[in-house]
Amino acid sequence: QQQVKQSPQSLIVQKGGISIINCAYENTAFDYFPWYQQFPGKGPALLIAIRPDVSEKKEGRFTISFNKSAKQFSLHIMDSQPGDSATYFCAASMGGNQFYFGTGTSLTVIP
Amino acid sequence: GAVVSQHPSRVICKSGTSVKIECRSLDFQATTMFWYRQFPKQSLMLMATSNEGSKATYEQGVEKDKFLINHASLTLSTLTVTSAHPEDSSFYICSASKGQGTDTQYFGPGTRLTVL
Repeated sequence: QQQVKQSPQSLIVQKGGISIINCAYENTAFDYFPWYQQFPGKGPALLIAIRPDVSEKKEGRFTISFNKSAKQFSLHIMDSQPGDSATYFCAASMGGNQFYFGTGTSLTVIP
Repeated sequence: GAVVSQHPSRVICKSGTSVKIECRSLDFQATTMFWYRQFPKQSLMLMATSNEGSKATYEQGVEKDKFLINHASLTLSTLTVTSAHPEDSSFYICSASKGQGTDTQYFGPGTRLTVL
């Protein structure tokens, strides 16, 4: 059973546009929701993370929106750049234990 | 910072041989380390969780005798793929957590294993 569902599977955005990736979860015990960015042949790198006590967190061009009642969270990349082209994974965990990863979104930003 | 390294980055071996992959936390002590496997264009699959000084906890379906994990110190965990076969070819990634009460996992750069 997929604990965290992620969509879309792939996304193509024009340079300067907004990239939006969505994730949904079922387990209300999850208390930590990170997003990771992965380039081909590399390990995932933490991008930004949020806890359920806030509805939004922004770091530079990256924003997480969190909807606790809907059990959904999303990553918004503003002013998308070709260098943002990568695979993005959302994840959820409880108490710092096992991470449950989404299936990943391949983002391509075209110039 | 929180840097995790893996060695080697790539390894090619013959079927039947054993391969050891090292995961090190370079600038922090990692109470818990995790080992993942990732197939092309797929998500990360947790293989096992290891705590320093104790036996690793393996996920369902992961053979403990085939994937030996040792977490001998707070900065080093090793994964040994024993008697490797072509179906073991994959991208293996480790991550490390700073300890109890902290959530963030820091990932290593991964090791590409190819078994001929």
